[in-house]
Amino acid sequence: QSVLTQPPSVSAAPGQKVTISCSGSSSTIGSNYVSWYQQLPETAPKLLIYDNNKRPSGIPDRFSGSKSGTSATLDITGLQTGDEADYYCGTWDSSLSTVVFGGGTKLTVL
Amino acid sequence: EVQLVQSGAEVKKPGESLKISCKASGYTFTTYWIGWVRQMPGKGLEWMGIIFPGDFDTRYSPSFQGQVTISADKSIRTAYLQWSSLKASDTALYYCARLQTSGDFRDEAFDIWGQGTMVTVSS
Repeated sequence: QSVLTQPPSVSAAPGQKVTISCSGSSSTIGSNYVSWYQQLPETAPKLLIYDNNKRPSGIPDRFSGSKSGTSATLDITGLQTGDEADYYCGTWDSSLSTVVFGGGTKLTVL
Repeated sequence: EVQLVQSGAEVKKPGESLKISCKASGYTFTTYWIGWVRQMPGKGLEWMGIIFPGDFDTRYSPSFQGQVTISADKSIRTAYLQWSSLKASDTALYYCARLQTSGDFRDEAFDIWGQGTMVTVSS
């Protein structure tokens, strides 16, 4: 069982918007920054969002992140079939002194 | 180009030892932490531990402490993950990744990932 809780799956039609949630605690999301990763099938994860809402160079602005209290969300707008992937949130756990990940959310673009 | 290149897939028997590698290029190796992440078949990401090649400071997840050893060789810009006695449950894909942080890990993020090394342990 993961320290961070994500929905196992979400789906939406091409062109639509989807939101993926990530729920933690005061020692995880509540006191640290959140990052998000995209893992396309059979590939290594890729950093999408860091410091709650910053995008690395090359990540389109269709991807955005936010944080409120002990939860974070990843929004993807203008969905494309190429966005079908697993998405993971991650943060530091101040109690365990470890990095923790969510269990992952599989995005299906119908 | 900043990249991490990992060693190739391994097939081992239970009880055997193994050391896999992660070679860095395109940045100053000694100024970033490098971490290892496990992904068991069909499962999510699990953080195993990190090493700072500059001074070899190493931190482990409690789940992996004592089960693996993380090391680095500054002279060849390479980080390692090793097992002294593999188990079938070690069968997984292992990623190395560069950790960006300002220092206290509150803002950590893995910004560069290796391609992964598949380790299969079977009798």
